Order: sequence, then C-alpha cells, then structure tokens
Amino acid sequence: GENVEQHPSTLSVQEGDSAVIKCTYSDSASNYFPWYKQELGKRPQLIIDIRSNVGEKKDQRIAVTLNKTAKHFSLHITETQPEDSAVYFCAARIQGQNFVFGPGTRLSVLP
Amino acid sequence: DSGVTQTPKHLITATGQRVTLRCSPRSGDLSVYWYQQSLDQGLQFLIQYYNGEERAKGNILERFSAQQFPDLHSELNLSSLELGDSALYFCASSGQGSGIHNEQFFGPGTRLTVL
Repeated sequence: GENVEQHPSTLSVQEGDSAVIKCTYSDSASNYFPWYKQELGKRPQLIIDIRSNVGEKKDQRIAVTLNKTAKHFSLHITETQPEDSAVYFCAARIQGQNFVFGPGTRLSVLP
Repeated sequence: DSGVTQTPKHLITATGQRVTLRCSPRSGDLSVYWYQQSLDQGLQFLIQYYNGEERAKGNILERFSAQQFPDLHSELNLSSLELGDSALYFCASSGQGSGIHNEQFFGPGTRLTVL
C-alpha cells in the first residue's frame, strides 16, 4: 500500500523567513496531494492541494510543488508569521481510495 | 466551519465501557473517514465508508466498529475500552464521484478520555 514520509519532523524559523516541508510517497498511482494545518486541539484544516496533472500551485504565501518522477511534493510558506506555527500534515491519495497521511511537521515561527 | 459535525465534543468514561461517536458529513458528501489521533501523534486512519458501504480499512482494532447509515451519517463504536484508547477521534468527509478527487474536510473531533 501507499506510504508517505515527511521531513523534517520539527522546523523552527524566524518570522519573515521561508519554511519548506517535504513529503515523499511510494505508490505512483497516487494522484491527489493535500496539505493540512492543525493547531493544538483543533481539527486539521485543508490549506492547499495539488493534483497530479499540475506541477505547482500557489495561494498567497503558500505554494505546493509536485515532482511525479521523483514521487515527492513540497509545501513552501513564505514570509512566515507567528500564526503559521502549527503541525502540518501532507497526504497522498489514489483515486477512490483512502488518504494516507505523513507523520506531520511541527513548525514554530519565532518572533 | 467545515460543515462536518461530530458529537459529542468530549466523552469521559471508564475502562471496559462502550461508547458511540457520531458524525454527520458535509451536505452531499458520500464518503466518511474515521481517524484516531493520540496525544502529539499523527492521524491514524481507521476506516472509510462510501455511500453506506465499507471502502477501506486501516489499523482499526477488532473492539472498534463503524457503520454508515442511509442518511449518510456515520457512527464509530468503541467497546471494551482501555486507557490507551484515550485520543481525539476525527471524522472527515469528501465528495462523490469515483472520477473526481474531492477535498477531504474534517469535523471538530471527539475527545475521548478513558479513566
């Protein structure tokens, strides 16, 4: 079955710097890759996603890139702010099947 | 607000007991997923239902069971509870269509504490 790895497990950046989180997946049939942000005690919230027919997607300060050949995708957050501090999860999905999540990255943005 | 609702919000019970967690998906969503999240851990996929039928199974214990009803709401039943079952239980839903990738949205979760 699908397996998703995520790195780093923790990441600290200074406010205003960029943050990058990387995920790799194992099954080349996966074709949908969402990213979730989870604040302490809250629900995971979808922040951006990408489908396999697209190489890059951007939404204001966040962007996601996908390299199908290498089977990895990354989340980029620019101009980080303290409110970006949270746990971020990547996921991969084969059409019609369940979502497989990475173990998460705890991002701390230091003021 | 994601449109996915879960009840109850909090549940405190004793070891050996049985509880039922309830989830209502977003309007029109046919798929429901259940996840377990222990303290400071990742999202452990338990089970998925699609339009009333079980679609996928993760690391769900035999003491746990779920179902999706004709009105598409779902229930997760946890029995013979152990201390280690204490966790946040999330329900999520996604849209219809086998040919369409629809976003998955999470409910607010049920925090289960087993004493």
